[in-house]
Amino acid sequence: DGGITQSPKYLFRKEGQNVTLSCEQNLNHDAMYWYRQDPGQGLRLIYYSQIVNDFQKGDIAEGYSVSREKKESFPLTVTSAQKNPTAFYLCASSPRTDTQYFGPGTRLTVL
Amino acid sequence: LAKTTQPISMDSYEGQEVNITCSHNNIATNDYITWYQQFPSQGPRFIIQGYKTKVTNEVASLFIPADRKSSTLSLPRVSLSDTAVYYCLVGTIDDKIIFGKGTRLHILP
Repeated sequence: DGGITQSPKYLFRKEGQNVTLSCEQNLNHDAMYWYRQDPGQGLRLIYYSQIVNDFQKGDIAEGYSVSREKKESFPLTVTSAQKNPTAFYLCASSPRTDTQYFGPGTRLTVL
Repeated sequence: LAKTTQPISMDSYEGQEVNITCSHNNIATNDYITWYQQFPSQGPRFIIQGYKTKVTNEVASLFIPADRKSSTLSLPRVSLSDTAVYYCLVGTIDDKIIFGKGTRLHILP
């Protein structure tokens, strides 16, 4: 059963803590993306990777970090430097077309 | 990257055809036009993609005039379950994909 998965679905974090969001795909897609969505807003690009061991900053990369050690995995770490991390985080993957396939999302809440 | 402009919100009734227009005046020669649908607390879902003229699939049609400066997503005979946010995107595989705020479509009974 092919697809893109994100875990956990809900995540709670205390201020000052780093937290890592998981994103895995078995679609054999080259490109992967992380977006942040705030209530009533569109998606904003955090980081993207078009190939293993390479990634680029998106529009709001400050306070976030990523790695792309495997084609299937693109974890996102929300660091303590991110001042307002409470949001809905979406991961997507894409073959060499401009169509993206999204995971179910992780809702992060800072307590 | 070509910027897109679409209505913030639209209301319609069950059974009607809904047309959502997107403006993209500075679309580049290699750009495709892609529409996504997003339900609350879910990731966006691909609906349709086109380059020029008309494209139709099982859920929607996409109309693109010859100058490609706009496009219209057409949803035939909408139901309550079509209530969602619809995003129009323009770009190529080498672009960062930019999602705007989209159009909030509300279907009424």
